[in-house]
Amino acid sequence: EIVMTQSPATLSVSPGEAATLSCRASQGVSINLAWYQQKPGQAPRLLIYGASTRATGIPARFSGSGSGTEFTLTISSLQSEDFAVYYCQQYNIWPRAFGQGTKVEIK
Amino acid sequence: EVQLVQSGSEVKKPGESLKISCKASGYSFTTYWIGWVRQMPGKGLEWMGIIYPGDSDTRYSPSFQGQVTISADKSISTAYLQWSSLKASDTATYYCARHSFARIAVTPFDSWGQGTLVTVSS
Repeated sequence: EIVMTQSPATLSVSPGEAATLSCRASQGVSINLAWYQQKPGQAPRLLIYGASTRATGIPARFSGSGSGTEFTLTISSLQSEDFAVYYCQQYNIWPRAFGQGTKVEIK
Repeated sequence: EVQLVQSGSEVKKPGESLKISCKASGYSFTTYWIGWVRQMPGKGLEWMGIIYPGDSDTRYSPSFQGQVTISADKSISTAYLQWSSLKASDTATYYCARHSFARIAVTPFDSWGQGTLVTVSS
């Protein structure tokens, strides 16, 4: 089974600063990679799909890049509402798999 | 507007059976894959499996194959997740979610239910 590994587990960032989150797949997944944001007590929300395409209504400060096995989510200038847990998910290979998550916390 | 409305929280004893539901509206239920995701307390997201309601084609994660059953009732646009014998380790929040493009499973989940908390305790 494919394994998705996210790093770091926790990222401490000051508001207004940039954040870079990484996701590595144990096998190539082309660009079939999504990023989700989850806040406490809420369902996940789709941010990015196709590795780099923002979902409807997602602000431009969120950007994704990568292909194959290495992917990055960048938040260019963190706003208060961006402090949350972020998950990557590959949807290229069965079974689909999520990474273990990166918590972005206020520094 | 796409909406997925899940059934309410459940408290069950080990060994009991359970079926939770996810009522879909705002789109053609039979033409989008819909799936289930587990989140154990304080933990991450786990992909359980998906179903295509149009023909009931179902795919499971090996981790959940044989442990749960995913089904759908086209007549009432509802997907289900069921257990025949619950364990304490099934305690979790379960989310249903819809794939983002019609007929295609090589897509992410773009719409999510609100989650159903299942607590299994003696």
